[in-house]
Amino acid sequence: KQEVTQIPAALSVPEGENLVLNCSFTDSAIYNLQWFRQDPGKGLTSLLLIQSSQREQTSGRLNASLDKSSGRSTLYIAASQPGDSATYLCAVSWTNAGKSTFGDGTTLTVKP
Amino acid sequence: SAVISQKPSRDICQRGTSLTIQCQVDSQVTMMFWYRQQPGQSLTLIATANQGSEATYESGFVIDKFPISRPNLTFSTLTVSNMSPEDSSIYLCSVATEETQYFGPGTRLLVL
Repeated sequence: KQEVTQIPAALSVPEGENLVLNCSFTDSAIYNLQWFRQDPGKGLTSLLLIQSSQREQTSGRLNASLDKSSGRSTLYIAASQPGDSATYLCAVSWTNAGKSTFGDGTTLTVKP
Repeated sequence: SAVISQKPSRDICQRGTSLTIQCQVDSQVTMMFWYRQQPGQSLTLIATANQGSEATYESGFVIDKFPISRPNLTFSTLTVSNMSPEDSSIYLCSVATEETQYFGPGTRLLVL
């Protein structure tokens, strides 16, 4: 069964810290992997998408890496800010059919 | 990019009734999906909405409970039928392009 796991479930850090969120998947033959952000009571915002052939993607203070052989992806957030507080979701697609399997998410709290 | 709107944004319904959720996309897209997010949980794919044909349902979801229409490439509806309190969730419409996956703002449903 193709599954996605995210650890930790929750993370609290002081403002300014660099942090890493983890995502693992059971079948390494992925098509792509996407990181989303979800604010309380809101929809999903796409942060970064990594295609199967790529190793990493960067956007501002965010860097996502992909290691298919180990079935892992990490989302690195540099110099965290209180505005980064949200739930971060990892979504994996194993085909080009567009549908994804989501992890349970990591809820991040950045304290001022 | 794709901008997705959903109606209604939220609703409170009585058990045994049905609710139809609408999803409108600002551009033509081939791949459209419906997800459910139960309280405190991550997203689970309900079905792929196929234009001009019956939707493709994931394991655990059936057409009688979640009938879906897709009359064209920019619009879809999801009906939650014969509702029970267990159907209280956020229902999200999603579309996928070659670049990324987009989500609507969600419909927050509470069944009493």
